[in-house]
Formats: sequence, structure tokens, C-alpha cells
Amino acid sequence: ETGVTQTPRHLVMGMTNKKSLKCEQHLGHNAMYWYKQSAKKPLELMFVYNFKEQTENNSVPSRFSPECPNSSHLFLHLHTLQPEDSALYLCASSRFSGGTQETQYFGPGTRLLVL
Amino acid sequence: AQTVTQSQPEMSVQEAETVTLSCTYDTSESDYYLFWYKQPPSRQMILVIRQEAYKQQNATENRFSVNFQKAAKSFSLKISDSQLGDAAMYFCAYAGSGGGADGLTFGKGTHLIIQP
Repeated sequence: ETGVTQTPRHLVMGMTNKKSLKCEQHLGHNAMYWYKQSAKKPLELMFVYNFKEQTENNSVPSRFSPECPNSSHLFLHLHTLQPEDSALYLCASSRFSGGTQETQYFGPGTRLLVL
Repeated sequence: AQTVTQSQPEMSVQEAETVTLSCTYDTSESDYYLFWYKQPPSRQMILVIRQEAYKQQNATENRFSVNFQKAAKSFSLKISDSQLGDAAMYFCAYAGSGGGADGLTFGKGTHLIIQP
């Protein structure tokens, strides 16, 4: 379970705060993902990065800003969030193969509460 | 757009018995991948089993097996000899064959309870 780590594990923030979520993978993967898991809703894909390049933005509001400085690290910068953004934010990584959908490995998530 | 439907919000099974979790999906693609993930309480999501759509043979992993019906777009998970450690949320997920790093489309999940 230490292949993908996320910090912090819990975060409480006000609507005017700026905070960042961090994800690190130790698996040698080159694709990374952010998902949002809300109560009673399916996990929602937010962003996909391949080799540090963003390849998908699933219509996510601009108050969420991802950053991928290298293949091992992924950040999600948060600013002026709304209470409905409270959720579990999951990071995942996979080995990009170009022809086969590789299995995604998930981190433990950051539980975010926006007041 | 692809959709994944898990029609059973919660299932309960006696320890050592067999349980089947249902999943259906909708897609216009002919080549894709299907997954079952397990999320124990307060723990990480882990892969249980995966199936490539081009493979006719159903995937198996120890006590876990799938019944993949491509024409019916059905992908159920069978857990044999259920154990207390199997208690978790189970998510069915779909990925297209768009190039190797697609995001997953998930169902809402099934909460599996194991009765001792």
C-alpha cells in the first residue's frame, strides 16, 4: 500500500483559503490521475497526465489547478473552493504502454472538508 | 459517453458462502477493459480483477472470478468462500482502448457485508 502516497490525509479549509494536495508514486509509472469521490456518487475522473503532460481535463472548474512537475509527483492546487467540493480526492498512477490499458494503482486519498 | 451501472447498493453474504455482484455498462467501443476494485473501510482502493474485452475467457484470481457477457454488456463478480476480509465497497470500472492511459469510468459501488 505504499506504492502511491498522498498528503495530507485530511484537510479542512475555508472557502477563501489556498491549499495543495500532493501525490507521489514510487512505482516507476508515467501516467497519473486525479479522481473525486463524493458520497453516493461514482468516482469522477478529474485530470490525466502522461509523461508530465495533461492529456485530459474532465470539465473541472478552474478553482482546481493540477500540476505535474515530473512523472513521480502530482499536485492539486485548490483555491476559493465551495462546500460541495468536500470529498475524498484520490490519486492514481499507471504504466503508460501506448496500446494496453494498464492497471491503475490508487493512493489512500485526501479527505477534504470545505467550510 | 460510457456509463457503468451497479444496481445493488448493498449485498450481504454469510461467511464461506458465494456472492455475485452485478455490473452492466454501456459503450459503443468494441475493444475496452473492465475492472473490479475493492475499497475496504478507510483503506486504499485495490484491484481485484481485470478483463480485456477481446478475451473470451473469463478472468479468475483465486476466489474471485468474473462472468463477462460482451453481447449483454454485463460484467459480474463472483466471490467464492467469502471471508470477513472481503467486506468492502466494490466498484466496477470501465476503460476504453484510447491509447493506454485513459481515466476509468466507475459505477456507484456495492457495499458488501460479510455475516460471520
